[in-house]
Amino acid sequence: GQQVMQIPQYQHVQEGEDFTTYCNSSTTLSNIQWYKQRPGGHPVFLIQLVKSGEVKKQKRLTFQFGEAKKNSSLHITATQTTDVGTYFCAGPPGGGNKLTFGTGTQLKVEL
Amino acid sequence: EAQVTQNPRYLITVTGKKLTVTCSQNMNHEYMSWYRQDPGLGLRQIYYSMNVEVTDKGDVPEGYKVSRKEKRNFPLILESPSPNQTSLYFCASSRGLTWGYTFGSGTRLTVV
Repeated sequence: GQQVMQIPQYQHVQEGEDFTTYCNSSTTLSNIQWYKQRPGGHPVFLIQLVKSGEVKKQKRLTFQFGEAKKNSSLHITATQTTDVGTYFCAGPPGGGNKLTFGTGTQLKVEL
Repeated sequence: EAQVTQNPRYLITVTGKKLTVTCSQNMNHEYMSWYRQDPGLGLRQIYYSMNVEVTDKGDVPEGYKVSRKEKRNFPLILESPSPNQTSLYFCASSRGLTWGYTFGSGTRLTVV
């Protein structure tokens, strides 16, 4: 079954509101990656986190890797219409060579 | 321009007719992978390859074959397509498992 889960599955926000998506793995991850897929497009790599408790920022996006390296979050401050898309986390469950993607969170931003 | 090129972009075929989706990357990446994307299921890995002549099954390999005879190419083969293989397929490549993937633009396959 799916080893990397994301919640929520969908999120509608008003422009300017904040947004957070959570990623949870049943096993420890050596690293976690985040991707964004615009409607009709392909996934685009955003960032990778490696260290326990690591926090990285990209402008209005804040990425966090949990202390136990089994969960991660992506927070967007003051969403804009350009943030619309589906956000995926991905990692190698159990330290293997596969890169397993989470189920994704679809973000819609309304004016 | 660094890219992953998939062909075709769209394909409609009939059950049982063998087909190949090509994938090529120009970044000298060692790691290549195929995913299928279905509504509500996210991206599921079909096969991956860590280098030439090294391939391994992902999470949903049934009904698919791959080969890695050259570093740049990683074709996906459906020997006898069935309607449950109707999906959006992505090829991706990276320097390795700890590097981000570059994805192709996708191939939308319909099997009738």
